[in-house]
Amino acid sequence: AQSVTQLGSHVSVSEGALVLLRCNYSSSVPPYLFWYVQYPNQGLQLLLKYTTGATLVKGINGFEAEFKKSETSFHLTKPSAHMSDAAEYFCAVSLSSGSARQLTFGSGTQLTVLP
Amino acid sequence: DAGVIQSPRHEVTEMGQEVTLRCKPISGHNSLFWYRQTMMRGLELLIYFNNNVPIDDSGMPEDRFSAKMPNASFSTLKIQPSEPRDSAVYFCASSLDGPYEQYFGPGTRLTVT
Repeated sequence: AQSVTQLGSHVSVSEGALVLLRCNYSSSVPPYLFWYVQYPNQGLQLLLKYTTGATLVKGINGFEAEFKKSETSFHLTKPSAHMSDAAEYFCAVSLSSGSARQLTFGSGTQLTVLP
Repeated sequence: DAGVIQSPRHEVTEMGQEVTLRCKPISGHNSLFWYRQTMMRGLELLIYFNNNVPIDDSGMPEDRFSAKMPNASFSTLKIQPSEPRDSAVYFCASSLDGPYEQYFGPGTRLTVT
């Protein structure tokens, strides 16, 4: 079984400041890890994913995340926040075995960007 | 690519009525997922299909909920009878087998009065 914990249901940053959204996972086998973003009244959109290989992955809109196996973490960062980054962010994990890749989502982090 | 298509986008119905939500996955995807999102419970997986076969329906709340996937390009989620506590946004997502991401539809906002 796998699980995801997102620390901080609400995060506020100033425009231009560093964005750091935390995600820790639990998995019995090597995981696949994802970050999704949800803008108001929209579906979830993939930001980035880690499957194998390089542990630092870059995504859309200047976001990146680093897979740290020793810390069981996959934190999302962006060097400089923009007003348009205000949204809810979800971390998700799936197992690297089995045919259908069921995702387990975290509870989400609402990012507010202050002017 | 058209992406995942859901209909209707909004549904308002009275308690006791039957509700049917529809989903067209991305062409070529062989896994389909139904989720429910509420403020209280967050994002919950209801059921998922692989190659049109239901694999895990343990997230379906109760017998009032049923889902079908008659072919690779269409799925329905039915609630009969509906109750106010079913009010939520229902998402459909699809993916390929393997380490591939799920693509989400825009959702159906259901309000049961």
